[in-house]
Amino acid sequence: DTGVSQNPRHKITKRGQNVTFRCDPISEHNRLYWYRQTLGQGPEFLTYFQNEAQLEKSRLLSDRFSAERPKGSFSTLEIQRTEQGDSAMYLCASSLLQIGDTEAFFGQGTRLTVV
Amino acid sequence: DQQVKQNSPSLSVQEGRISILNCDYTNSMFDYFLWYKKYPAEGPTFLISISSIKDKNEDGRFTVFLNKSAKHLSLHIVPSQPGDSAVYFCAASDTGTASKLTFGTGTRLQVTL
Repeated sequence: DTGVSQNPRHKITKRGQNVTFRCDPISEHNRLYWYRQTLGQGPEFLTYFQNEAQLEKSRLLSDRFSAERPKGSFSTLEIQRTEQGDSAMYLCASSLLQIGDTEAFFGQGTRLTVV
Repeated sequence: DQQVKQNSPSLSVQEGRISILNCDYTNSMFDYFLWYKKYPAEGPTFLISISSIKDKNEDGRFTVFLNKSAKHLSLHIVPSQPGDSAVYFCAASDTGTASKLTFGTGTRLQVTL
């Protein structure tokens, strides 16, 4: 296991379509985070899980956004009825609470383009 | 409301010299700070962190300084190398851990020969 893996790397979709992204964290990591990064900005926190429990989702951008981590391993982020403003890089990160959660390791991201 | 600010969008430094990247924050509840480096088409890579109970942390060529009274931190890279050329993000958390990070907008560092 070499790190956090995200698929797909790129996604182009038409406005109004639904999209789903997948994140596979570092295998022993129990915390998983989703961030969004737009051009010229730093990553913006969206939501996170500890094992399968979603501990915060208030920062999800709208009710069109939802995330799951059903078995405490991989996670999916779904955007329904995509809008052009959803175009961004979606980043996943993971960390291990047992060692003090002092580092979050990021994947390479999924770049979403809504046309 | 930008709670973490990196006011210099870019910085150019000669190879071998010191690079100093600055970061200011407004939220006094932040108690853990991290620096990440990002190359194009890659995710951010963790560099170094510091807890609010410390004012300095070193790791090889990288040192982070924290001035809580000024709500300011800085990353020093000595000596700078061409491979250090990247965008550097400052991030902060109010959980004492690396969860729920608030990022700055980044500083692009160019290390020239």
